[in-house]
Amino acid sequence: KAGVTQTPRYLIKTRGQQVTLSCSPISGHRSVSWYQQTPGQGLQFLFEYFSETQRNKGNFPGRFSGRQFSNSRSEMNVSTLELGDSALYLCASSSLLGQAITDTQYFGPGTRLTVL
Amino acid sequence: DQQVKQNSPSLSVQEGRISILNCDYTNSMFDYFLWYKKYPAEGPTFLISISSIKDKNEDGRFTVFLNKSAKHLSLHIVPSQPGDSAVYFCAASGGNEKLTFGTGTRLTIIP
Repeated sequence: KAGVTQTPRYLIKTRGQQVTLSCSPISGHRSVSWYQQTPGQGLQFLFEYFSETQRNKGNFPGRFSGRQFSNSRSEMNVSTLELGDSALYLCASSSLLGQAITDTQYFGPGTRLTVL
Repeated sequence: DQQVKQNSPSLSVQEGRISILNCDYTNSMFDYFLWYKKYPAEGPTFLISISSIKDKNEDGRFTVFLNKSAKHLSLHIVPSQPGDSAVYFCAASGGNEKLTFGTGTRLTIIP
């Protein structure tokens, strides 16, 4: 089974621009979560999508948004980029057949975003 | 407000010895705990988990201990191997809480 894939792997943008990151979950997985990883902050939860609906949201400003398509692929968008948005953005998928959040999350390699 | 804390940003251990990584949490709703391992340029990979109904879970060289009264868990790696050098994240979930990660501990195994 192919793992979680994220594109692009690296991205350089300037302040004020917007960016869209893509995530393809493991085949059959319906839940996709997004995380931001910065040094000293660990993995900060952004949001989770399940069957095209946002089920959970972290404490990030409205500039961060996402969506999920019918094939479970997900995109994350950040508008009006700020220097502090430079981070590794990780996507994770899980089967999440029920409401249990004990299903193991499988992570992609991440997209390294640098904002200049 | 960091609900899951890993107070040691780094740890160095001699090859063959025991590595002990610690994690503390504050939210009493958490009832499921996981450890993830992350190599550079890769996403975290699931290592081992424990439910709050247990106080120990073992998988090969990896053992996780949970002390609910102290809201503390630890990961023991015995014996430590060079390939164990990575960043280890502790994570917790429970109730309506989403999976919450700690800030990570960089483990370096010295040959």
